[in-house]
Amino acid sequence: DTAVSQTPKYLVTQMGNDKSIKCEQNLGHDTMYWYKQDSKKFLKIMFSYNNKELIINETVPNRFSPKSPDKAHLNLHINSLELGDSAVYFCASSQPYNEQFFGPGTRLTVL
Amino acid sequence: DAKTTQPPSMDCAEGRAANLPCNHSTISGNEYVYWYRQIHSQGPQYIIHGLKNNETNEMASLIITEDRKSSTLILPHATLRDTAVYYCIVREAGANSKLTFGKGITLSVRP
Repeated sequence: DTAVSQTPKYLVTQMGNDKSIKCEQNLGHDTMYWYKQDSKKFLKIMFSYNNKELIINETVPNRFSPKSPDKAHLNLHINSLELGDSAVYFCASSQPYNEQFFGPGTRLTVL
Repeated sequence: DAKTTQPPSMDCAEGRAANLPCNHSTISGNEYVYWYRQIHSQGPQYIIHGLKNNETNEMASLIITEDRKSSTLILPHATLRDTAVYYCIVREAGANSKLTFGKGITLSVRP
């Protein structure tokens, strides 16, 4: 009965590779988000989608591209990975005006 | 940037009340005060939110001062499992407004 799930939980890859992180929510929420938590533990929003439409894009490099095939899924594709992309990435979802529910996180390590 | 300031850390004894302060002196009339917590390596978890009235739910109570420039989250009977980073967040009143996390306060509950 997982509400917001992410795969994979851990991702280790080489610089320059392209990788994807998947997020799914079974709460019936209309809005989904991606957050990044860096090594200093600062948690910052990256993107937000509402009913498959991008509504927040926080000046994230073009190498990051969210894709929402339906309102229950918001995947994050990252091209040409850099060392600075190493972080924990959290997906979240919510209904309008309501609290956000977060997934367990994906720890990305770029070598 | 986060519109809140919190002490970096505090501790309390198990079974006692934990009172976590937060300053948000520049809060606007249509902005809410939200509290989330992040237990080690997990995704943030919603606790409670309020606009100007005090609020209580099964997890905690939120006391907002009359001028709305500060608030206190109260965990009435802290347990070891309440050890976490607690984030006080000022959130705009919008259907899909973002959460801007600050550094939070690390609460350590001691046996």
